[in-house]
Amino acid sequence: GDSVTQMEGPVTLSEEAFLTINCTYTATGYPSLFWYVQYPGEGLQLLLKATKADDKGSNKGFEATYRKETTSFHLEKGSVQVSDSAVYFCALISNQAGTALIFGKGTTLSVSS
Amino acid sequence: DGGITQSPKYLFRKEGQNVTLSCEQNLNHDAMYWYRQDPGQGLRLIYYSQIVNDFQKGDIAEGYSVSREKKESFPLTVTSAQKNPTAFYLCASKAQGHGYTFGSGTRLTVV
Repeated sequence: GDSVTQMEGPVTLSEEAFLTINCTYTATGYPSLFWYVQYPGEGLQLLLKATKADDKGSNKGFEATYRKETTSFHLEKGSVQVSDSAVYFCALISNQAGTALIFGKGTTLSVSS
Repeated sequence: DGGITQSPKYLFRKEGQNVTLSCEQNLNHDAMYWYRQDPGQGLRLIYYSQIVNDFQKGDIAEGYSVSREKKESFPLTVTSAQKNPTAFYLCASKAQGHGYTFGSGTRLTVV
């Protein structure tokens, strides 16, 4: 079935460091792809999305490009801040489960000053 | 304001008891979903419903049941058959052509 694999955490960085969180997917066709973020003690928020190949989603300095040739949607940020500390989830819309989102296991990011 | 309300925020259950988690939305969304979140496991799909009076099993439906008698409500029952029910449960909804809205979750603890 459809699935998402993202890099294991935790990822620990210093402020202003470059961030990459890898995400690859297995699915039929070309599903829409998402990154969600969960800040400590808060709910799930949409960070960015891409709906077709070569689309680039971006928000709050984060970017991810939909690469169909490598079935990937890696999250990047050029300079992280302490306030970026959170859990990041990669997800896709599954054609096998209605319109349900299928999530990766999440990557915890911790940024220190 | 429109949104999803999950209640209660914290729930304690004795072993062997069934418990029902509430999820209500006033967004007029057709589709609703239940997820379970465990540390290191991400969010796993329990059940989903595309329309009133219809629902489908997700990846981890064993030990859970749902109903969808009204468009705005999608309650989840955690039965005694669920071997490890302690977790954080998230409800979500979606309208066609629009994004997903998530509730704030219910943390269930078996004591």
